Amino acid sequence: KQEVTQIPAALSVPEGENLVLNCSFTDSAIYNLQWFRQDPGKGLTSLLLIQSSQREQTSGRLNASLDKSSGRSTLYIAASQPGDSATYLCAVQGAQKLVFGQGTRLTINP
Amino acid sequence: DTEVTQTPKHLVMGMTNKKSLKCEQHMGHRAMYWYKQKAKKPPELMFVYSYEKLSINESVPSRFSPECPNSSLLNLHLHALQPEDSALYLCASSQDDSSATNEKLFFGSGTQLSVL
Repeated sequence: KQEVTQIPAALSVPEGENLVLNCSFTDSAIYNLQWFRQDPGKGLTSLLLIQSSQREQTSGRLNASLDKSSGRSTLYIAASQPGDSATYLCAVQGAQKLVFGQGTRLTINP
Repeated sequence: DTEVTQTPKHLVMGMTNKKSLKCEQHMGHRAMYWYKQKAKKPPELMFVYSYEKLSINESVPSRFSPECPNSSLLNLHLHALQPEDSALYLCASSQDDSSATNEKLFFGSGTQLSVL
């Protein structure tokens, strides 16, 4: 059974800092890994999708990496802004379904 | 149009009520999903519809009844719910639910359900 873990559970940093969110998964037989953003009481917004054959994806200030063999992914956020404050979830797609991690609650302090 | 639209945004119901949640997308996606999310927890898959057929039911109690009238619409009928069913119910869609490696999920903003 696939298990996805995100560390840390919560993170608070000053505006302008670069930061890294971590995601690990137990079963390397995945199709893709996705990073989502969720604001309180809202739906999920897809940020980046890394296919199983890829090593990284970039979108603006976001960069996600994938090391399938070690079961790890990182989300790098450059030059953080208060508007980046949200919960970030990683999810791995297997043969049957998408399995989510518990999320990292990120707060960017002005 | 890259939106998944859910109605209502908020719903309060008693344990004897019957209500329905609605979800709509016009992206031509052929797979649609219902997720349940409790506060401070990740979403949990409930149902998957593929080409308007129910393909996955994650052992959801029968008081939740999904329906896919056509490729753009997904309903979740609720009956005799319990207070512990209070949660954010999220609908999502993707182009296909096949094993394609680039299937991005698009989520609606959810229905916040409170069962009294």
